[in-house]
Amino acid sequence: GEKVEQHQSTLSVREGDSAVINCTYTDTASSYFPWYKQEAGKSLHFVIDIRSNVDRKQSQRLTVLLDKKAKRFSLHITATQPEDSAIYFCAASRTSGSWQLIFGSGTQLTVMP
Amino acid sequence: DMKVTQMPRYLIKRMGENVLLECGQDMSHETMYWYRQDPGLGLQLIYISYDVDSNSEGDIPKGYRVSRKKREHFSLILDSAKTNQTSVYFCASSLSRDYAEQFFGPGTRLTVL
Repeated sequence: GEKVEQHQSTLSVREGDSAVINCTYTDTASSYFPWYKQEAGKSLHFVIDIRSNVDRKQSQRLTVLLDKKAKRFSLHITATQPEDSAIYFCAASRTSGSWQLIFGSGTQLTVMP
Repeated sequence: DMKVTQMPRYLIKRMGENVLLECGQDMSHETMYWYRQDPGLGLQLIYISYDVDSNSEGDIPKGYRVSRKKREHFSLILDSAKTNQTSVYFCASSLSRDYAEQFFGPGTRLTVL
């Protein structure tokens, strides 16, 4: 079946450095790739997304890159802050006639002061 | 204030007991989802509902059933709960099946002893 893989279960960076979280997907027909953030003990909330008609999208300190050939997408966070510490989930849409998402297993980002 | 609510937030049950998890949303969203989150596995889709009495199985429906009698409410039912159903359950909603962004509730931590 379709899969989304997040290869880093944990990532630690120093405050002010950049963080990059990578994901791969298997469904060539996936066209929508959102990222969600889950702070400790809380729910998921949407942070940024990218659709397959572009290969880059930026929102303030967040940038998402999409490489459709490699079936890979990544979340780049610049000038990291302690409040960026959270679990980040990537997801990809599946071709089911509706916007169902397949989620990766999550990356715990820790920003150290 | 757009919101997805879940009740209860914490629940402890014994194996074989019935479990009812409730989800509500105040955004008149057509589509609602139930996921479970287990460590290292990300979110797995249990059921999806496209509107009142229009429900479809997700990836792991076995042992679960759902009910949606009003657009704003979506219930997840475990008949005779099993210990392997111990998990955190998230409800989510989206505007319709044609809209990708999902809004998540705060989650219910269910422990089955």
